[in-house]
This record gives sequence, structure tokens and C-alpha cells, in this order.
Amino acid sequence: AQKVTQAQTEISVVEKEDVTLDCVYETRDTTYYLFWYKQPPSGELVFLIRRNSFDEQNEISGRYSWNFQKSTSSFNFTITASQVVDSAVYFCALSEASYGQNFVFGPGTRLSVLP
Amino acid sequence: GAGVSQSPSNKVTEKGKDVELRCDPISGHTALYWYRQRLGQGLEFLIYFQGNSAPDKSGLPSDRFSAERTGESVSTLTIQRTQQEDSAVYLCASSSGTLLTDTQYFGPGTRLTVL
Repeated sequence: AQKVTQAQTEISVVEKEDVTLDCVYETRDTTYYLFWYKQPPSGELVFLIRRNSFDEQNEISGRYSWNFQKSTSSFNFTITASQVVDSAVYFCALSEASYGQNFVFGPGTRLSVLP
Repeated sequence: GAGVSQSPSNKVTEKGKDVELRCDPISGHTALYWYRQRLGQGLEFLIYFQGNSAPDKSGLPSDRFSAERTGESVSTLTIQRTQQEDSAVYLCASSSGTLLTDTQYFGPGTRLTVL
């Protein structure tokens, strides 16, 4: 069975601090995809990144970076020099390529960036 | 429009009434998904359409829930005899590919309140 755990329910940081959001997943498939989505207060989900299980390269996009480690089944997300506009709920999600279609989302981490 | 749209944005109904929620996917997107997000909780997968067929209905919580899709276009999620526990934000997403793990783009959601 597939499962996504985001152990941090809520995080508060002060603007310009770096923050890492943890994501740990469980899957029996060797082929799978991991995602991060952002849900700002407006409610709409915004796609941030997709990573497939064969690509363990870390990725950096502006102030965002992702650390994918298959050895620990983790796909952590770091925001560097956080800003107030980063305040949102962040969801990590898993989809097993061979498993019909059932995206499994983690419970989300609420990030508050204080000015 | 450029993105996924949903209507209504808010719906308040009385317990026992039926409601219909509508989703307009991004034009050309073959896959369409429905999710539910209860207050303060993560996303629950409800159903997935590829074209107008639904290969995965595993997430529908009860037989009061049904969904249909016309071609590769609009989808409606119907909840019959609504209960208070149905109160949630219902999110729709669409994706362009036939691969089950293509990136999903989410609509703004319909907030359903059952009194």
C-alpha cells in the first residue's frame, strides 16, 4: 500500500529564514512519482514539482529546492530565504505508476512565514 | 479559460438535499480527478476519469456519491441525501496526458456546507 507522511503539522518561521518541509513515503512499486503542491490561503492547489523514482538528482528552482533520497524514502522540500508569500499549506503526494490511478496525498504542512 | 474552473464556488445546503458540483477541465485534458478536502485535513481521492470512463472509483465514500463526465469535457459530482459529514471543499483537477502520473492542475474548489 502507498502512504505519504508529513510529520510536521505546522511550522512558523521568520521571514528570510530557511525552512525544510519533510515528506516520507511508502510504496512497493519500483516506479512511482512524487509531487509537491502548495495551497495558499486562496485555496487553489499549485503544482510545484514532479519527480520520478529513477531520478534522484536534487533540483533547485529559485528559492525552492528538493532533496529526493530513495534510501530513506524521503522527498524533502526546502525554501531558502522564506517570504511572507510562502505562507501556505504544502502537500507531498505519491502516485504509483502501475497502480491504477490513486494519488495519495500527505496530510499537509502549514507553513507560516512571519514578517 | 486557461485553468480548471469549478462551480459553484460555495454551496450551502440542508441535510438530506441533493447537490451537483461542476468541473470544467483545461481544454484538451483527457484525465479528470475529483478530490475532497475536509477542514484542516489532507486531500482524499474520490474518482478519476480518462475521457468519459471512470476506471477508478475506489475513493467514492458511499453510494450517495456519483460522478459523470461528458466526453473529455465537463464533469459533475453528485451527492445525494447530503449529510453533515459531506461538508468539505471538493477539488477537481485535470491533466493532459494518458499517463496516470502526469501532472494534475487543480481548480479553485467548491466549498460545500451541509447544515
